[in-house]
Amino acid sequence: DQQVKQNSPSLSVQEGRISILNCDYTNSMFDYFLWYKKYPAEGPTFLISISSIKDKNEDGRFTVFLNKSAKHLSLHIVPSQPGDSAVYFCAASANTNAGKSTFGDGTTLTVKP
Amino acid sequence: NAGVTQTPKFQVLKTGQSMTLQCAQDMNHEYMSWYRQDPGMGLRLIHYSVGAGITDQGEVPNGYNVSRSTTEDFPLRLLSAAPSQTSVYFCASSYSTWPTYGYTFGSGTRLTVV
Repeated sequence: DQQVKQNSPSLSVQEGRISILNCDYTNSMFDYFLWYKKYPAEGPTFLISISSIKDKNEDGRFTVFLNKSAKHLSLHIVPSQPGDSAVYFCAASANTNAGKSTFGDGTTLTVKP
Repeated sequence: NAGVTQTPKFQVLKTGQSMTLQCAQDMNHEYMSWYRQDPGMGLRLIHYSVGAGITDQGEVPNGYNVSRSTTEDFPLRLLSAAPSQTSVYFCASSYSTWPTYGYTFGSGTRLTVV
């Protein structure tokens, strides 16, 4: 039973437009959610996080939205740039399980010039 | 700042061989973890540690051992390699306030078992 799901394996957008990456989770014990970005042959890098007590968190061009009732979160990238082309992983954590994160399978974002 | 250093970057093993994947961090992070990533899949937690001398199992621990004798090092041992362990292995570390800041990952070890 996959507890964190990214249902879109890939997404293609035009440079300058908005990219919206989605993530769903099933475990109601999760109270922290993170997004990571991964380039080929590199390790993932932390992008942005959100606590379950918030419904939005912004960092520059990146905004994460959390809908707890729907167990859904999304990452918005505005405006999208070709350098944003990468695999994006959604991850969820529970403070009661310190040090453990559950990852989705990732969404490959391609931003076309 | 080296961050998280993993060695080796590539390794080919024969079935039944054993080896140790090395991981070291220089950020004084309390938490360290090992994940594996199979093609088209996300990262799955193998083992993790919340401090020196403390380790616990993750989602897919079978066939792997860990120990954490120092804050800096967290080696992963494959006891008897199997083709199913062909994967990319990532070591990660974080502060105990980890949910806010996320993990810092190493660049990975690509392991092939033949």
